[in-house]
Amino acid sequence: DVVMTQSPLSLPVTLGQPASISCRSSQSLVYSDGNTYLNWFQQRPGQSPRRLIYYVSNRDSGVPDRFSGSGSGTDFTLKISRVEAEDVGVYYCMQGTHWPFTFGQGTKLEIK
Amino acid sequence: EVQLVESGGGLVQPGGSLRLSCAASGFTLSNYWMSWVRQAPGKRLEWVGNVKEDGSEKYYVDSMKGRFTITRDNAKNSLYLQMNSLRAEDTAVYYCARGGGRDVYNLGYWGQGTLVTVSS
Repeated sequence: DVVMTQSPLSLPVTLGQPASISCRSSQSLVYSDGNTYLNWFQQRPGQSPRRLIYYVSNRDSGVPDRFSGSGSGTDFTLKISRVEAEDVGVYYCMQGTHWPFTFGQGTKLEIK
Repeated sequence: EVQLVESGGGLVQPGGSLRLSCAASGFTLSNYWMSWVRQAPGKRLEWVGNVKEDGSEKYYVDSMKGRFTITRDNAKNSLYLQMNSLRAEDTAVYYCARGGGRDVYNLGYWGQGTLVTVSS
């Protein structure tokens, strides 16, 4: 199975400051069709996960533009340009290229 | 509005069975892969399995293969997860989600989850 490794696992951030989460896969996530199936999810306390980003860098509808995704191959990053209080929660990367699809361990973002 | 509502969770003894349901609304179920994803207490998300639009293809994570079965009834706008031979380590919140193939829809919408507790 493809192992997804996130860092850091805990991310204390001051309101208004940027935040960055790294996600690395044990194999390239480029599929035979040329697409890279890498998603990012946010899980706020007590809520279901919500998809933020698909195909590495495409924001879902309704996701603030302070969230951005980048990367290629095996290295990916989720960035928040200016953290707001509502961003508190756990962030997961997920690969949808190789079956079984797998998630990272999660990065817990908290306000400092 | 897309809505996914799971039901059927509860307390079950080790070795027992449970059937989860997911009622879909706000979209045409037959147009999408569907998936089950679970989350044990304090743990990361874990894929359970997925099923193609017409039910002709299904994939399961190895640890659940042979014990879990995903079915769907597009006419009833419903997805199901039959879980047999349950173990303590199957204790988790089980989510149904829209999508599950290699496309833009993958896990774009989630239900609220239903808790399954396997304990004697």
